[in-house]
Amino acid sequence: KNEVEQSPQNLTAQEGEFITINCSYSVGISALHWLQQHPGGGIVSLFMLSSGKKKHGRLIATINIQEKHSSLHITASHPRDSAVYICAVNTGTASKLTFGTGTRLQVTL
Amino acid sequence: DAGVIQSPRHEVTEMGQEVTLRCKPISGHNSLFWYRQTMMRGLELLIYFNNNVPIDDSGMPEDRFSAKMPNASFSTLKIQPSEPRDSAVYFCASSLDRMVETQYFGPGTRLLVL
Repeated sequence: KNEVEQSPQNLTAQEGEFITINCSYSVGISALHWLQQHPGGGIVSLFMLSSGKKKHGRLIATINIQEKHSSLHITASHPRDSAVYICAVNTGTASKLTFGTGTRLQVTL
Repeated sequence: DAGVIQSPRHEVTEMGQEVTLRCKPISGHNSLFWYRQTMMRGLELLIYFNNNVPIDDSGMPEDRFSAKMPNASFSTLKIQPSEPRDSAVYFCASSLDRMVETQYFGPGTRLLVL
């Protein structure tokens, strides 16, 4: 079993829909990251959080430390949000990241 | 800032050849990470450096892989000899010198070993 699990693996939505991507982890962490990888391959860090909630534009990330669970929400989705979203964690105090397998999101018109 | 710079962006080589991938981290960042991404295994950490010193190389697949960071602005990942199963996208990332910090990824090097 992977230390970081994401669901769903694939997600198709229509423009304007509210989207939720989930991440569960089984180890102690010091931080959780949400990354976005566009079809061209580049990886961008969206959020780093260790508690509570963060918001940036239409993106919201939440984390529940007790339940070892995080969610990434996209409001008013748009085709340009189409990408792979990857959850990653810092285990313990380590700088290195352990990655989930990613959620492939396709937003259609 | 130019961000993390990687070269080459694409590399096609034949099995048995030596491959060298290069990375220039963001100026002022003291941690540097090498990752490999494949369809089968997703993103995996190969090795990371802090202040030019290798801290964790447990992800390096085998002796054919080696990485160096001779100074704060340059790192290499070398594969010798290369094999078809090394075909992947190799990412370099850097972050500030803190235990947990946002990592900034380079554009990646797409390696194909024939």
